[in-house]
Amino acid sequence: GESVGLHLPTLSVQEGDNSIINCAYSNSASDYFIWYKQESGKGPQFIIDIRSNMDKRQGQRVTVLLNKTVKHLSLQIAATQPGDSAVYFCADSTSGGGADGLTFGKGTHLIIQP
Amino acid sequence: DTGVSQDPRHKITKRGQNVTFRCDPISEHNRLYWYRQTLGQGPEFLTYFQNEAQLEKSRLLSDRFSAERPKGSFSTLEIQRTEQGDSAMYLCASSLPDRGNTIYFGEGSWLTVV
Repeated sequence: GESVGLHLPTLSVQEGDNSIINCAYSNSASDYFIWYKQESGKGPQFIIDIRSNMDKRQGQRVTVLLNKTVKHLSLQIAATQPGDSAVYFCADSTSGGGADGLTFGKGTHLIIQP
Repeated sequence: DTGVSQDPRHKITKRGQNVTFRCDPISEHNRLYWYRQTLGQGPEFLTYFQNEAQLEKSRLLSDRFSAERPKGSFSTLEIQRTEQGDSAMYLCASSLPDRGNTIYFGEGSWLTVV
């Protein structure tokens, strides 16, 4: 299915503040969701993932929330740091990322202001 | 470095030439994926292998694109008769075979067709 990134192309936050990046997906059959961080000139770096049988998952300074009713995914980053500046992509899959691959949104560029 | 390794990192070629990219997945990852990413967009799924079997290739962009994984370890992506529209970053990724296992990306191979 197609994943539509419901997002602000650019999100600017103050260092130390919390960031919330949003994403919408369109395929109700998607059962696996994942966030990647991509710095300029580099490949996507795994941040956190969540399966459809969960609605929240926490990692180190990051939390992913899944609302299947409205097909919405968000990534919360606590106490943002300069190193968090990057483009953030959400992606979804109906096969756990396998046979149909991951369908990526267009990404949100997170800018951390000093 | 035990991550996904791609080579070359950058390739400039003349239109009409053939190019080949190599990917070495994370050890013991028997799933391997190829994606393409153009500027300002998220990665786009192309194909995937489980061991040496190419289980999905319908998303390859044209018959000029082909991928192999002959021994179930490294993989190659070949583009024949390159066109300027092929200029992009070609990403390789790998994962363990179970559903929902995290997909890890390499740093990508940049292709510029002049």
